[in-house]
Amino acid sequence: TQLLEQSPQFLSIQEGENLTVYCNSSSVFSSLQWYRQEPGEGPVLLVTVVTGGEVKKLKRLTFQFGDARKDSSLHITAAQPGDTGLYLCAGDWIQGGKLIFGQGTELSVKP
Amino acid sequence: DVKVTQSSRYLVKRTGEKVFLECVQDMDHENMFWYRQDPGLGLRLIYFSYDVKMKEKGDIPEGYSVSREKKERFSLILESASTNQTSMYLCASSFGGGTQHFGDGTRLSIL
Repeated sequence: TQLLEQSPQFLSIQEGENLTVYCNSSSVFSSLQWYRQEPGEGPVLLVTVVTGGEVKKLKRLTFQFGDARKDSSLHITAAQPGDTGLYLCAGDWIQGGKLIFGQGTELSVKP
Repeated sequence: DVKVTQSSRYLVKRTGEKVFLECVQDMDHENMFWYRQDPGLGLRLIYFSYDVKMKEKGDIPEGYSVSREKKERFSLILESASTNQTSMYLCASSFGGGTQHFGDGTRLSIL
């Protein structure tokens, strides 16, 4: 069974701080997706990274795919209360057609 | 915009009941998925379908079945509900191996 380990599971920080969420696996993924989920809603895609070493930026969010396509990170600069939510990484398994999800990171940004 | 609609936001059923969760998507996607989401465990795949009348077991299919008679509709069935099936259920659809679009979820309680 392919596993995607996401850390930390919980993160509570003050507005303006920086943070990084990690996703690690022993499997190679053809792509890796990051989703954000707010209470009472389904996950919504933030970004997909495809190429090893790829870096994508979405305003204050920076996503990186590891060179070997086994890991990824999400870095948020100067976090704001509006960033509060559950962040999920999901790997598109190279031989399958389905996503493998990490356990999620519950982020709380206090004003 | 893709719309994935789940029939109920909240559902309360009793142990032993047969429970139907319905999901409809409006973008002619081939692929549809059912997940359950539990704290600390992320999203776990129950069943998925690549086409009408086709279904594949996910990681935790025990106690569940599915039906896909029409392309836009994917139903999850709990044959005899048990308390350990209390959870948030999320439906998703995708075109090929691309982004999965999620419904807002059904919070199911089995008493």
